[in-house]
Amino acid sequence: EDQVTQSPEALRLQEGESSSLNCSYTVSGLRGLFWYRQDPGKGPEFLFTLYSAGEEKEKERLKATLTKKESFLHITAPKPEDSATYLCAVQLQGAQKLVFGQGTRLTINP
Amino acid sequence: NAGVTQTPKFQVLKTGQSMTLQCAQDMNHEYMSWYRQDPGMGLRLIHYSVGAGITDQGEVPNGYNVSRSTTEDFPLRLLSAAPSQTSVYFCASSRRGGTEAFFGQGTRLTVV
Repeated sequence: EDQVTQSPEALRLQEGESSSLNCSYTVSGLRGLFWYRQDPGKGPEFLFTLYSAGEEKEKERLKATLTKKESFLHITAPKPEDSATYLCAVQLQGAQKLVFGQGTRLTINP
Repeated sequence: NAGVTQTPKFQVLKTGQSMTLQCAQDMNHEYMSWYRQDPGMGLRLIHYSVGAGITDQGEVPNGYNVSRSTTEDFPLRLLSAAPSQTSVYFCASSRRGGTEAFFGQGTRLTVV
């Protein structure tokens, strides 16, 4: 069964305290791995797509990396506005639909 | 840019009532999908469509119907609402074979 697991469920950091969120996956064939950001009361907003092991993408204080079994979302020197739920999703080979993890709720305290 | 528009934003239904959640996109995307989001469960796929006239079931289709008569619209119908359908519903669209999915703002549905 295709499965996506995110950890931790929730993470509290102080402003400027760097950390990483994990997304591990067990799928029959990976076409792509996606990271989304979701603010309270809003729909998910696209951040990154990764296609192959070793690939990295960066956007401001965020960097996403991919291995054959997991992806990390590294947050460097976060600010309070980075507080959100971060969702990981995989797209399977031969399919368009996405399989989502449960999300990590990130809180950055000033 | 409107993107993906969902209506209504909030809805309260009584058990057994029916209703339609509307979803429209103006990006000419072939692929559209409906998800429900429950605490601790992440987003789960209900139904999806790869183009006008073509729909298929996702992970949790029971109790929901969809149709796709145009590229722009993908309504989700609840035929007889149940308390287990209390959730936040999201519609998404993307290009066929594309990567990034665009999501609507969601509909928060409560069934009492």
